[in-house]
Amino acid sequence: DTGVSQDPRHKITKRGQNVTFRCDPISEHNRLYWYRQTLGQGPEFLTYFQNEAQLEKSRLLSDRFSAERPKGSFSTLEIQRTEQGDSAMYLCASSLSPPGNTIYFGEGSWLTVV
Amino acid sequence: GQQLNQSPQSMFIQEGEDVSMNCTSSSIFNTWLWYKQEPGEGPVLLIALYKAGELTSNGRLTAQFGITRKDSFLNISASIPSDVGIYFCGMQGAQKLVFGQGTRLTINP
Repeated sequence: DTGVSQDPRHKITKRGQNVTFRCDPISEHNRLYWYRQTLGQGPEFLTYFQNEAQLEKSRLLSDRFSAERPKGSFSTLEIQRTEQGDSAMYLCASSLSPPGNTIYFGEGSWLTVV
Repeated sequence: GQQLNQSPQSMFIQEGEDVSMNCTSSSIFNTWLWYKQEPGEGPVLLIALYKAGELTSNGRLTAQFGITRKDSFLNISASIPSDVGIYFCGMQGAQKLVFGQGTRLTINP
């Protein structure tokens, strides 16, 4: 399977705990994106990387959220001191830089904060 | 900010019927994308449109990039039960992809 892969697929955590999600993009893709999706809504942009550089962050990405892509390959999204409002599906996607930049999504990581 | 309106929000149809949904934008973008999402899964790309006026098919799916570059539609012909899901349009700029609110398709056999 050469698509975008995410791990874990599901995570249940207690409020206040930290969680980390990992994303492995399609191997030749230099752009990597994180989105958040809540029930009944479309995915909302959080942040994206061009290689290892984080180029844009949404206002949705509070200071409890941090994303890294240290070697320009896989990425991690960490949420510290989780709150119930963080419960959502966290989607990772990847693409090539423009002009060939169709974005492909992973299957998502479901987070439930109890 | 970028506004993207997708309609209808939901559709209830009989198996075999044709389906049409559309998206309009307040801004001009160079790429329109249509995705389908099933419960618990990530969005799967159906069709990508890169030029104004472009009409592209993928099996029973047909999508068009509007001439004004501010709208797009997706048609599904002769719907079948596995077409059930949520369909999202997306406008892709140089940096990121913005999604519409989605159209939830339900099919009665």
